[in-house]
Amino acid sequence: QKEVEQNSGPLSVPEGAIASLNCTYSDRGSQSFFWYRQYSGKSPELIMFIYSNGDKEDGRFTAQLNKASQYVSLLIRDSQPSDSATYLCADHYGNNRLAFGKGNQVVVIP
Amino acid sequence: EPEVTQTPSHQVTQMGQEVILRCVPISNHLYFYWYRQILGQKVEFLVSFYNNEISEKSEIFDDQFSVERPDGSNFTLKIRSTKLEDSAMYFCASSPGTDYTFGSGTRLTVV
Repeated sequence: QKEVEQNSGPLSVPEGAIASLNCTYSDRGSQSFFWYRQYSGKSPELIMFIYSNGDKEDGRFTAQLNKASQYVSLLIRDSQPSDSATYLCADHYGNNRLAFGKGNQVVVIP
Repeated sequence: EPEVTQTPSHQVTQMGQEVILRCVPISNHLYFYWYRQILGQKVEFLVSFYNNEISEKSEIFDDQFSVERPDGSNFTLKIRSTKLEDSAMYFCASSPGTDYTFGSGTRLTVV
């Protein structure tokens, strides 16, 4: 059973600050991970995926993967009020399926 | 930008009734999926579909559920004899093989 844990509570950050989100996963063999953003009542929107150890940057977002420690993180730089959402970490495995974490809620305060 | 389209956006049904949720995946995608999200809970995988057959399904996807690609564009999820606990947001997704695009979802309410 694939487990993806996102345990921290709602994160409040001032506008312009950096939001840092973490995710841990249970399967040491997992290879690739996705970060999605989900606004309340809406569908998940892809932010980025990562499959190599290290950092991957896309605009204001940076994903970090550490396979030895089995965690994935997402940094949001220059946070904007429109970044207020729930961020979902997902483990990509099997025959093309995703195991999602419960999400981290981010609130950006203007 | 190409979209995954789902209809209806909201469906209310009586317990025991059958429902069909419809999806139009992105046209050049090869893999199709159904996920669901019960209010306040994780997004959960139900089933994946490739080359006109189920490629993988979760333990949630029991005999009550079925999927079909009745023509070249639509992809449907049928739930027979709905239960109260089937109330959830159902998301269709499609993929060319790497990343996934989700539809806007169908909110199913079983009363």
